Amino acid sequence: DAKTTQPPSMDCAEGRAANLPCNHSTISGNEYVYWYRQIHSQGPQYIIHGLKNNETNEMASLIITEDRKSSTLILPHATLRDTAVYYCIVGAGSSNTGKLIFGQGTTLQVKP
Amino acid sequence: DAGVIQSPRHEVTEMGQEVTLRCKPISGHDYLFWYRQTMMRGLELLIYFNNNVPIDDSGMPEDRFSAKMPNASFSTLKIQPSEPRDSAVYFCASSLRAVNTEAFFGQGTRLTVV
Repeated sequence: DAKTTQPPSMDCAEGRAANLPCNHSTISGNEYVYWYRQIHSQGPQYIIHGLKNNETNEMASLIITEDRKSSTLILPHATLRDTAVYYCIVGAGSSNTGKLIFGQGTTLQVKP
Repeated sequence: DAGVIQSPRHEVTEMGQEVTLRCKPISGHDYLFWYRQTMMRGLELLIYFNNNVPIDDSGMPEDRFSAKMPNASFSTLKIQPSEPRDSAVYFCASSLRAVNTEAFFGQGTRLTVV
């Protein structure tokens, strides 16, 4: 499975866009990029995923570079409730097994 | 659907006792995953099932851990005997298929072994 690199922590002002980067330089051609977040001690929550094209849903936008070696999750108008650990996951494995392997993620602190 | 349901939410047990954690996946989901989360090791995948069959249990720490899925609507994770180092939050998740989909996580079971 491809590995990901994320900054350990980031701050964002409430109401501003939060841009969370992720490097995945060893990604394979058929591997998706998934983003999940975990608020305090709740179960992880799915945000968005993509393969090649940029994606947008009601929660966020996912921008994937043309070479697919990195991506950025964008929360357009961060609120205090967006404070969480954000995980970028590449997978689910070269054989598409469905496994989600979580790294350490980025702790996003949204400040008033 | 009520989502992935785990029970109990909290469990405190004494070292050496058997512990059974339970999970009810979302109806119609073919994949079920068990994770463990600790401060030191983060979120670790323990085992996952496809159509009730265990596919990969390489994350199961040792023989004291076992997981079963007797039918599509129920799975258990058992620890026997339990040890203090097993204290963690255990999450169950389910998904419709392997890729190009989202996994839904339960609220977790916080296990404390004293």
